[in-house]
Amino acid sequence: SQELEQSPQSLIVQEGKNLTINCTSSKTLYGLYWYKQKYGEGLIFLMMLQKGGEEKSHEKITAKLDEKKQQSSLHITASQPSHAGIYLCGADFTGTASKLTFGTGTRLQVTL
Amino acid sequence: GAGVSQSPSNKVTEKGKDVELRCDPISGHTALYWYRQSLGQGLEFLIYFQGNSAPDKSGLPSDRFSAERTGGSVSTLTIQRTQQEDSAVYLCASSFKGSRRSEQFFGPGTRLTVL
Repeated sequence: SQELEQSPQSLIVQEGKNLTINCTSSKTLYGLYWYKQKYGEGLIFLMMLQKGGEEKSHEKITAKLDEKKQQSSLHITASQPSHAGIYLCGADFTGTASKLTFGTGTRLQVTL
Repeated sequence: GAGVSQSPSNKVTEKGKDVELRCDPISGHTALYWYRQSLGQGLEFLIYFQGNSAPDKSGLPSDRFSAERTGGSVSTLTIQRTQQEDSAVYLCASSFKGSRRSEQFFGPGTRLTVL
């Protein structure tokens, strides 16, 4: 969706390296959801951000939402092969989370 | 199982045929969502159910697409007179309620191929 842009489209990193994926909205978000998808599988929920300036971490993944609630980043520290997949950000523009608008995704490969 | 399940996992059909895709949400989840994921369009919202009613059908691409939900549980997405551009992965998700704080849990999807 042009309302939500993700970058980069693809990323190849060496195991152990850090990386950042960005998600930028053309308008203010009520909520921002990060998901991970592996081929042939559904989306796995990672984190949800709602407040400007909010930051959440789970294991080696940290997600942040900027103060204006228009940009989010997902940072992976010391990447592992298990981190490989497609990362998708989903935006709630309605305030009810009744539907999400998704970015185009970032394909991550982690090399040994 | 504890997660969202979808059937069939794969469906190959001929152009012009009707297809039905099924979604079993997580037990107790009141909200159910259908999305479509295709190479050219990414992941697109189709329809949202709260209970058995669909307050938001804005994503259904044409009147060939319809969906229903019965008993506040199972949902069926029906595509009539399928076209090649309908080929995609159809994903279903459910959440406890359609509120701001509820993350959506996704099923594995149904891969539809229209020949």
